[in-house]
Amino acid sequence: GAVVSQHPSWVICKSGTSVKIECRSLDFQATTMFWYRQFPKQSLMLMATSNEGSKATYEQGVEKDKFLINHASLTLSTLTVTSAHPEDSSFYICSASGGPQHFGDGTRLSIL
Amino acid sequence: AQKITQTQPGMFVQEKEAVTLDCTYDTSDPSYGLFWYKQPSSGEMIFLIYQGSYDQQNATEGRYSLNFQKARKSANLVISASQLGDSAMYFCALNAGNNRKLIWGLGTSLAVNP
Repeated sequence: GAVVSQHPSWVICKSGTSVKIECRSLDFQATTMFWYRQFPKQSLMLMATSNEGSKATYEQGVEKDKFLINHASLTLSTLTVTSAHPEDSSFYICSASGGPQHFGDGTRLSIL
Repeated sequence: AQKITQTQPGMFVQEKEAVTLDCTYDTSDPSYGLFWYKQPSSGEMIFLIYQGSYDQQNATEGRYSLNFQKARKSANLVISASQLGDSAMYFCALNAGNNRKLIWGLGTSLAVNP
């Protein structure tokens, strides 16, 4: 069964809306979670490393104020896309490190 | 610098045959791990198999095996007895040192023909 749950699976919303995506580790504690973005037919692009109880570590070129990450507990990290615009439309997927990284099912975000 | 190279953008295989997906890596760290993930069209990333740099034997998981050639820095995935459900993108990834981040290859799209 799934060890990492990601919600929602699909989001369609208007430009300017903020969207929150949740990533939960179901049966293990994850001090570290990862957020990725994936464009069609491309590989995963790491956006940030989410650290429980501390600030996230963002990869170069990723806007911290645009993609807010909160890792308030050992089983939950959230990614908020603030004031989303059409160029933010993408597939976002999280993972939690428990041995090998286990992934959520991803979120398809479409901004109209 | 750490790097993963997957040179096959797309592969075709006949159902029930075996197929090898190539992966080469580069790292200066003596301690590292290599991972293979499968991504069907639905999008989820499915962990398939892991090989540690100090593992003496090649990893195997059911129909998946990893042909680990350390001197050549290659970690090819072998899928035996291909099934239609094996059609997907396959990604090779590297984790080295204390850094938990994974370095990803560009992926190989596998199509299994009936």
